[in-house]
Amino acid sequence: AQKVTQAQTEISVVEKEDVTLDCVYETRDTTYYLFWYKQPPSGELVFLIRRNSFDEQNEISGRYSWNFQKSTSSFNFTITASQVVDSAVYFCALSEAFPGNQFYFGTGTSLTVIP
Amino acid sequence: NAGVTQTPKFQVLKTGQSMTLQCAQDMNHEYMSWYRQDPGMGLRLIHYSVGAGITDQGEVPNGYNVSRSTTEDFPLRLLSAAPSQTSVYFCASSGTEAYEQYFGPGTRLTVT
Repeated sequence: AQKVTQAQTEISVVEKEDVTLDCVYETRDTTYYLFWYKQPPSGELVFLIRRNSFDEQNEISGRYSWNFQKSTSSFNFTITASQVVDSAVYFCALSEAFPGNQFYFGTGTSLTVIP
Repeated sequence: NAGVTQTPKFQVLKTGQSMTLQCAQDMNHEYMSWYRQDPGMGLRLIHYSVGAGITDQGEVPNGYNVSRSTTEDFPLRLLSAAPSQTSVYFCASSGTEAYEQYFGPGTRLTVT
């Protein structure tokens, strides 16, 4: 069965610190997709990144970076030099190979960046 | 493009009442889904649709009905509201070219 675990419920960091949000997933599929979404205090869900199971290249986008390791079934998200605007709940999600079908979300990590 | 829209934004119902949460997308996406978000539980899939006329159940379908008569619209019906259905409801859509789901702004529902 598919499952996503975000063990960190809440994290607080001081502005400019780096922070890593952990995501561990379970699936029996050989082809799958992993995602990160951000939910700021305003409540909307913002797509951040998608990763295919056959592409283990790490990705960097500005202060954000993602580390995908199939060997440990992890898809971790690092924010470098955190800012107050990064304060949000972050969700990791897994979907099966069939596009748009059956997303499985983790329970989310609430990040607070203290100025 | 408006993206994914949901109405209403807020709703209060009494136990036993019925209502429909509206969801529409203007991106010509084939896939649409309904989720509920509860504290500490992430987002859980209620129902989803892979195209007009095709729907299926997700993880928590009880007490909800859906239909998909057009590509654009995917309404969620609460048949007889219960306090356990107090939640924030999100509609999402995705196309075949990209697999990420795009979410509407959400509907905050309270059942008293």
